[in-house]
Amino acid sequence: DTEVTQTPKHLVMGMTNKKSLKCEQHMGHRAMYWYKQKAKKPPELMFVYSYEKLSINESVPSRFSPECPNSSLLNLHLHALQPEDSALYLCASSHTPGAGETQYFGPGTRLLVL
Amino acid sequence: KQEVTQIPAALSVPEGENLVLNCSFTDSAIYNLQWFRQDPGKGLTSLLLIQSSQREQTSGRLNASLDKSSGRSTLYIAASQPGDSATYLCAVRYETSGSRLTFGEGTQLTVNP
Repeated sequence: DTEVTQTPKHLVMGMTNKKSLKCEQHMGHRAMYWYKQKAKKPPELMFVYSYEKLSINESVPSRFSPECPNSSLLNLHLHALQPEDSALYLCASSHTPGAGETQYFGPGTRLLVL
Repeated sequence: KQEVTQIPAALSVPEGENLVLNCSFTDSAIYNLQWFRQDPGKGLTSLLLIQSSQREQTSGRLNASLDKSSGRSTLYIAASQPGDSATYLCAVRYETSGSRLTFGEGTQLTVNP
């Protein structure tokens, strides 16, 4: 099983809503990543979890709050988002955070903030 | 600044052609380089990963080469098919960037039947 799953596929939310994005992998990977991708642009790294601990936060606004409850699951909690946060949010995982590892990406959650 | 550049930004070819996508990077101190494919509105599919000690990797009709000293990689697609139409992204893992991948802007490929 080389699959990373993400739910929901699509999400529409208002600026006062609270919602969560979910990412799951059952490959035994110990590194998980959140990326944000705007239209016709490459993905931008947001967060990296290494062995369930946050290891990289790319100066992401606090309205995005990541959580890694266990080694298979990664959440991204959203609160008080802005319309410019509308994007495709991609989750990825790798066997370890080591340098030689392939990152496997999920299908993404397309988020629209109204 | 460590950057990744992909040329061309868009490419349209007739079915059956062999084609080359280019990727260049600014620092030869890399761990690896990865080629991805992305269909519209979808996630990324890893195509090939080349470690810094390798010169090339092959998978089916795809062949990726790496020349660290010149800061270049190419993705060769043989006998292109309409199903190859997608955006192809090159991503580099620089030695000084930890877990971060530095992506190029991508090449949007259209293969016409």
